[in-house]
Amino acid sequence: GAVVSQHPSWVICKSGTSVKIECRSLDFQATTMFWYRQFPKQSLMLMATSNEGSKATYEQGVEKDKFLINHASLTLSTLTVTSAHPEDSSFYICSASPWDSGYTFGSGTRLTVV
Amino acid sequence: QKEVEQDPGPLSVPEGAIVSLNCTYSNSAFQYFMWYRQYSRKGPELLMYTYSSGNKEDGRFTAQVDKSSKYISLFIRDSQPSDSATYLCAMSLNNAGNMLTFGGGTRLMVKP
Repeated sequence: GAVVSQHPSWVICKSGTSVKIECRSLDFQATTMFWYRQFPKQSLMLMATSNEGSKATYEQGVEKDKFLINHASLTLSTLTVTSAHPEDSSFYICSASPWDSGYTFGSGTRLTVV
Repeated sequence: QKEVEQDPGPLSVPEGAIVSLNCTYSNSAFQYFMWYRQYSRKGPELLMYTYSSGNKEDGRFTAQVDKSSKYISLFIRDSQPSDSATYLCAMSLNNAGNMLTFGGGTRLMVKP
């Protein structure tokens, strides 16, 4: 089946630094990828839609200058959390969809900002 | 009112029981329906993917979609302790390139 690889699985960074999270579709091409954020015991909240070769579309309330998304190829999208603060600590998950097969999710990245 | 409603549980059942998980939704334009299982600190895992109304079976899992009632279900037969997880329903307008709308998730506990 379709596989989406997400890296790193967990990261700890100091407040004020930036962190990059990678999302790769391993066996299919993904024109569109999605980035979600999940707080403990809550459902997934869509942050942005990443489009290959064009600007990402951000959901209302998500700061595009803080959460930089780059979708440079059909198999790779990156999310960079810039100038991270403790309130950015969360579980970040990406997803993509091979045609007509449902949406596959990465394993998630747990970000802790100290 | 949320676009997709799902009872948060927790739902506790004995091992071997049949589990019924449900979601209701308000947008009649949804065409594709999915069920995901999510273990703690892991990404969601796709269990079932269905288009429009009808039933779909895969091993111990059966998904039902009733578009006329805007109601979807996931049944788990012969439940196992390893099925203990949070189950998320999700739906979309089309089958790729379109965002998913999730239910809030139901936490299931299967006791040995």
